Amino acid sequence: AQSVAQPEDQVNVAEGNPLTVKCTYSVSGNPYLFWYVQYPNRGLQFLLKYITGDNLVKGSYGFEAEFNKSQTSFHLKKPSALVSDSALYFCAVNPDGRSSGSARQLTFGSGTQLTVLP
Amino acid sequence: KAGVTQTPRYLIKTRGQQVTLSCSPISGHRSVSWYQQTPGQGLQFLFEYFSETQRNKGNFPGRFSGRQFSNSRSEMNVSTLELGDSALYLCASSFGQPGAYEQYFGPGTRLTVT
Repeated sequence: AQSVAQPEDQVNVAEGNPLTVKCTYSVSGNPYLFWYVQYPNRGLQFLLKYITGDNLVKGSYGFEAEFNKSQTSFHLKKPSALVSDSALYFCAVNPDGRSSGSARQLTFGSGTQLTVLP
Repeated sequence: KAGVTQTPRYLIKTRGQQVTLSCSPISGHRSVSWYQQTPGQGLQFLFEYFSETQRNKGNFPGRFSGRQFSNSRSEMNVSTLELGDSALYLCASSFGQPGAYEQYFGPGTRLTVT
């Protein structure tokens, strides 16, 4: 079964500084990787995904993530943090199309609360 | 294009009752997934429907069930409610079966069981 680890429950960063939210995964076969963001009292919003190709993926609101197969990581990054980026961030993984049945369900990490300080 | 809508947004029930939650996906999306979100367990997958067929089910008891209609709208039902069922229930839709397709989430239904 696949799993996702977000080792930091909380990340604090000053506005204007770069931010990184960490994610590592375990999956049979090749992974489909996603980042979602959740604002208070809201559902999740899709930020970006890695399916194949370039290891650096660019997404919404200036976020990007780098897929590292050897380290099984998919860290979320942004060059310059904004106060409005403060939210709960989820990494998720799905095995690729060669897996089937119950294995093919989106598995989320536990979430990382990002706080950007003014 | 309208987003995923869920009704009701808030619900208070007592133990032993049953509840039905509704989800309308984005137009053109045929896959609907349901998740339970709690502070302790995080986001847990309940089930996924594609073209009216349940394609995948998470590790939840049989009290949790769902269905999808021909217009892709979906409902989930929880019977014999327990206190531990208090959670935010999220519905998500995608164009195809979740895999490479990203999911679009509704705002959720906050269920409180007393």
